Amino acid sequence: DTGVSQDPRHKITKRGQNVTFRCDPISEHNRLYWYRQTLGQGPEFLTYFQNEAQLEKSRLLSDRFSAERPKGSFSTLEIQRTEQGDSAMYLCASSLVGRGPSVGREKLFFGSGTQLSVL
Amino acid sequence: AQRVTQPEKLLSVFKGAPVELKCNYSYSGSPELFWYVQYSRQRLQLLLRHISRESIKGFTADLNKGETSFHLKKPFAQEEDSAMYYCALTEGGKLIFGQGTELSVKP
Repeated sequence: DTGVSQDPRHKITKRGQNVTFRCDPISEHNRLYWYRQTLGQGPEFLTYFQNEAQLEKSRLLSDRFSAERPKGSFSTLEIQRTEQGDSAMYLCASSLVGRGPSVGREKLFFGSGTQLSVL
Repeated sequence: AQRVTQPEKLLSVFKGAPVELKCNYSYSGSPELFWYVQYSRQRLQLLLRHISRESIKGFTADLNKGETSFHLKKPFAQEEDSAMYYCALTEGGKLIFGQGTELSVKP
């Protein structure tokens, strides 16, 4: 499968613990996005990278959340001191962005997500 | 902030009936709009984008700037169309999604 890969598929943790998720995008894709989705809601934007640069982070995102994409390939999303409200599906997506008028029109390819349950 | 509204959480129709999934948006400029779909046990995937003016799996969507709408339509629903449908628009370099509408097509 050459699509977007996320690991782990499921994570159960106790409140207060730290968790880290990994996303491997499609290899030639330069943009990588993290979204969070709770039951009955659409995906909520968290942050995105172009190559290794983090271009935007949601203002709704707590300081407990941090994401990296050190070599412009895979990315990690870490949540420190997890809370029950962090329980959600964490989705990663990637895309190939060119220059000029096509920017913003690209197709996002999503992973299967990591389901986080905080007890 | 830009916003996408899908007023219906669930839309249930019979096979062969017409379908219209509603999407309204608020955007200060010229929006780029998309419909994404998630079939059962599958990943979220792009269905269509308004800039392409395409018809995918019999679905079409027309951007109506006057009504700020981008409704998804299909003249004859099929059982395999049952899925979650999300309307989305581009803001800066990211997509903003609506809450989603579950389409259930009954035999």
